[in-house]
Amino acid sequence: SQQGEEDPQALSIQEGENATMNCSYKTSINNLQWYRQNSGRGLVHLILIRSNEREKHSGRLRVTLDTSKKSSSLLITASRAADTASYFCATRDNQGGKLIFGQGTELSVKP
Amino acid sequence: EAGVVQSPRYKIIEKKQPVAFWCNPISGHNTLYWYLQNLGQGPELLIRYENEEAVDDSQLPKDRFSAERLKGVDSTLKIQPAELGDSAVYLCASSQTGGFYNEQFFGPGTRLTVL
Repeated sequence: SQQGEEDPQALSIQEGENATMNCSYKTSINNLQWYRQNSGRGLVHLILIRSNEREKHSGRLRVTLDTSKKSSSLLITASRAADTASYFCATRDNQGGKLIFGQGTELSVKP
Repeated sequence: EAGVVQSPRYKIIEKKQPVAFWCNPISGHNTLYWYLQNLGQGPELLIRYENEEAVDDSQLPKDRFSAERLKGVDSTLKIQPAELGDSAVYLCASSQTGGFYNEQFFGPGTRLTVL
């Protein structure tokens, strides 16, 4: 079963534009993580935000977390063609620590 | 530093045949995970090992799937017999420990096609 639902399922933008992806989840969490997956390759960890944090930055990435709404967003600023990939949110609960992934957002950045 | 290694990268078999996937985690990583990823979906955990002990195998279909991690390093995931619905990508990941904040490092996956 998958906890996260991501929105939109697909996003197409021009290079230089910002990309925003949203993730909603159902149960309480310990932390939420974002991963990137390039076509035909494994996932790469991007950023982790703890349940007591509201915002986190890493380079061109900005992640927000609203635990009252059970939602998170990933913003990629000044996108590049190399950002083309699928992006997944994953939540970790306070019990078994199992990581549960959403179905992903497919981002296409056109040069 | 070498990443998580998986082999084979691709496998095509006929239904009812057995198949095995191999994973070598990052050196020093105690925790190893096997995930199943269907097309257009996120990965779903099949089994998690802490060293050689399977600590979460609740999602592993035990009638046909088996896994082992001898000596707490390499791991093998087996399907016997394979069914058409098993066609998917099988991902292996590792982390230093199974702690809440530990980053998981993923291998490139094995794409299985069952005909």
